[in-house]
Amino acid sequence: LAKTTQPISMDSYEGQEVNITCSHNNIATNDYITWYQQFPSQGPRFIIQGYKTKVTNEVASLFIPADRKSSTLSLPRVSLSDTAVYYCLVGGLYSSASKIIFGSGTRLSIRP
Amino acid sequence: DAGVIQSPRHEVTEMGQEVTLRCKPISGHDYLFWYRQTMMRGLELLIYFNNNVPIDDSGMPEDRFSAKMPNASFSTLKIQPSEPRDSAVYFCASSNRTEDGYTFGSGTRLTVV
Repeated sequence: LAKTTQPISMDSYEGQEVNITCSHNNIATNDYITWYQQFPSQGPRFIIQGYKTKVTNEVASLFIPADRKSSTLSLPRVSLSDTAVYYCLVGGLYSSASKIIFGSGTRLSIRP
Repeated sequence: DAGVIQSPRHEVTEMGQEVTLRCKPISGHDYLFWYRQTMMRGLELLIYFNNNVPIDDSGMPEDRFSAKMPNASFSTLKIQPSEPRDSAVYFCASSNRTEDGYTFGSGTRLTVV
């Protein structure tokens, strides 16, 4: 099983760029890297997914080095509403859904 | 689309009672997942379906738990009999074969007293 390791918590300030790094040393060839955001009393919400290099959407960027043993979620110009828990997951898209494990996540706190 | 709809939002029941949680996935999604979240264990995958067929139920804690998906628009997770240690937030999620990940419902907070 591809295990992920991320910081337990991070703090930042409004307007700053926040980078959350996840390590996944035993990622498999067909594994994708996916990030989710979870607010209290809500289900996780898909943020971004990638396989290699860089992926960008309207809310975040995902940087994946060539060896794919880590990935970095980048949140530009965070606001108070970005305070949440962020999960990094690795796994095949659907062939092994039971092996896609949510780790402990990173609790991000944004201050004014 | 209204997203993944779960009911009830909150459920309080007495130990030994039967509990049924309900989920309506997003139309067109052919995968449905049931997760459980607790402070101690985080998010755990219980079971998932593809085209209404259970594919992997290895995460179901024990025989007291059962899940069904009689059609593409409805699934249930049943606990019988319920125990206090089943207290958790239960999430349903659905997806299709795209790179958009899973869409989760708002969850059912179950408290067994």
